[in-house]
Amino acid sequence: KQEVTQIPAALSVPEGENLVLNCSFTDSAIYNLQWFRQDPGKGLTSLLLIQSSQREQTSGRLNASLDKSSGRSTLYIAASQPGDSATYLCAVTDSNYQLIWGAGTKLIIKP
Amino acid sequence: DARVTQTPRHKVTEMGQEVTMRCQPILGHNTVFWYRQTMMQGLELLAYFRNRAPLDDSGMPKDRFSAEMPDATLATLKIQPSEPRDSAVYFCASAPGLAGVTDTQYFGPGTRLTVL
Repeated sequence: KQEVTQIPAALSVPEGENLVLNCSFTDSAIYNLQWFRQDPGKGLTSLLLIQSSQREQTSGRLNASLDKSSGRSTLYIAASQPGDSATYLCAVTDSNYQLIWGAGTKLIIKP
Repeated sequence: DARVTQTPRHKVTEMGQEVTMRCQPILGHNTVFWYRQTMMQGLELLAYFRNRAPLDDSGMPKDRFSAEMPDATLATLKIQPSEPRDSAVYFCASAPGLAGVTDTQYFGPGTRLTVL
C-alpha cells in the first residue's frame, strides 16, 4: 500500500533563505507526483506536476525533483518570501490511479 | 479568471439533517473530484466523475453519502443523515483532460461542514 510522508511537519525560516521540503513515498510504481500549496481556509493550488519519466520541474522560484528509485521528491524554494508561508502538500498517483496525499509541511517565513 | 466555485462556504447543521454541497467546475473541464480533509485523516478522495459519469466512489461511505453531476456545470455531494464525524472541509476539484487523477487538478475553496 502506497504511503506518502512529509518531514518536517512544520518549518520556520527567515525571509530570503533558500529551503527544501521533502516528500517520500513507499512504492516507486507511480504515474506522477504533484506539489500543492494550501493557504489557511483556502483550497489547494497546484504548483508543479512531475511525470514519472521526468526528473524535475521548475516554475519561477520553485524547483521540484523526483527520484523514483529512492522514493523521494524535494521542493526547492529559492529566496523565500513571507508570501510563501503556507502548507505544502505532495501527492502521488499510484499504480491504481489513486491520488495518495502526504500530511503536508507547514512553512512559515519570518520577515 | 476561471476557477472552481463551491457553495456554501460554511455549513453548521444538527446530527440527522441532510446536507447538500454544490460545486461548479471550471467550464470545459471533463473530470470532477470530491475530497474531504480532516486534521486526523488529511485529504481523502471521496469520488470522481469523468464526463459526468461516476468513475470511482470507493472512498465514500455509501450508506449516507451520494454524489451526482446533474449537468456539466454542477456537481453535488449529499450526506443524509449527517453525523458529527462528517465534520470536515469538503473540496471539489476539476481537471481539464480525460486523464483523471493524473491531470493537474484545480481546487475550489471548500465547504467547511460542522455537524453538531
